[in-house]
Amino acid sequence: DGGITQSPKYLFRKEGQNVTLSCEQNLNHDAMYWYRQDPGQGLRLIYYSQIVNDFQKGDIAEGYSVSREKKESFPLTVTSAQKNPTAFYLCASSIAGGRTYGYTFGSGTRLTVV
Amino acid sequence: DQQVKQNSPSLSVQEGRISILNCDYTNSMFDYFLWYKKYPAEGPTFLISISSIKDKNEDGRFTVFLNKSAKHLSLHIVPSQPGDSAVYFCAASGKTSYDKVIFGPGTSLSVIP
Repeated sequence: DGGITQSPKYLFRKEGQNVTLSCEQNLNHDAMYWYRQDPGQGLRLIYYSQIVNDFQKGDIAEGYSVSREKKESFPLTVTSAQKNPTAFYLCASSIAGGRTYGYTFGSGTRLTVV
Repeated sequence: DQQVKQNSPSLSVQEGRISILNCDYTNSMFDYFLWYKKYPAEGPTFLISISSIKDKNEDGRFTVFLNKSAKHLSLHIVPSQPGDSAVYFCAASGKTSYDKVIFGPGTSLSVIP
């Protein structure tokens, strides 16, 4: 079955550590996205990529980094520069921007700073 | 400043009745609108969408209405079922296929048996 796989489901990070969240899709979608969900704030866009080897900052990119070396993979690194990283992180993919057919989301990674 | 607003954080409805979830937007360049449904600890799933050239789109129990002059859209669920209990996100996008999708903060719907 086609879909998006995010791993791990739960992740704990110590202060000052970088962590990388995995996102893999087998839908042959060109575009991939990373969102962060905080209570009462909906989904905020961190980074997105419309094509391999290219990506753009979203609304809250500070403290995060991404890479898009393969069409199937779009890992997100939460760096020590991110002041408040505890959140629920969602990866999504779509064909050509997703405005018509919508995004397909993964099941998310909950990151907690300890 | 939020471009997509869902002013009701939560809504409770009796099973079998109609659920109406509202959404307002501020950007007149938005051209396409989508609704997503999200269960706890899962990713959102695409529910229904509507283009700005239409004022209504229906899919089974779900109907979305768009009022462009008021910059307002609503999702109607008839009849509501307990399995509809979830957070519903309204989202909007611009005219091109590469425009970003902007999400609202969500409305938590509880359908009471």
